[in-house]
Amino acid sequence: EDQVTQSPEALRLQEGESSSLNCSYTVSGLRGLFWYRQDPGKGPEFLFTLYSAGEEKEKERLKATLTKKESFLHITAPKPEDSATYLCAVQAGAALIFGKGTTLSVSS
Amino acid sequence: GAVVSQHPSWVICKSGTSVKIECRSLDFQATTMFWYRQFPKQSLMLMATSNEGSKATYEQGVEKDKFLINHASLTLSTLTVTSAHPEDSSFYICSARTGSAYNEQFFGPGTRLTVL
Repeated sequence: EDQVTQSPEALRLQEGESSSLNCSYTVSGLRGLFWYRQDPGKGPEFLFTLYSAGEEKEKERLKATLTKKESFLHITAPKPEDSATYLCAVQAGAALIFGKGTTLSVSS
Repeated sequence: GAVVSQHPSWVICKSGTSVKIECRSLDFQATTMFWYRQFPKQSLMLMATSNEGSKATYEQGVEKDKFLINHASLTLSTLTVTSAHPEDSSFYICSARTGSAYNEQFFGPGTRLTVL
């Protein structure tokens, strides 16, 4: 069965304290792994797509990496405005399968 | 680019009434649109996939007669919740994808439905 597991469920950081979020997946025939950011009461905002092991993508303080079993979202020197829920999803067939997300809180 | 809008952003209705939610891709043509439901502190659950001009494909456990989906054009899809009940109260989010099945989905801002 296709599955996506994110850890930790919640993460509290001080401003400037770097960390990583994990997304492990089991899927037959990965067609892409996606990272989204979701603010409360809003729809997910697209961040990255990764297609093959070894691939990396960066955007401002965020960097996503991919292996054959998991993906990491590294946050460098986070700021309070980075507080949100980060969702990982894999494409299996036509549909996206989402993890439950990691809720990040960054305090100043 | 890649903006998806939803209307309304929130709606409150009485039990037994029907509610229509619109999803539009504003600056691109969406070959495929998706409808998701999200309960508090839960992740997104896919309800159905629709392609323009075709019948929607519903996920297992989703009642197609209750959740009517119409994908009338390459920029518009609608979800109608028929005979709504309190248990249908949720956050409904649409997404749209263009071109290849490998492309990312872009999400709308969501619609909060509350059924009294």
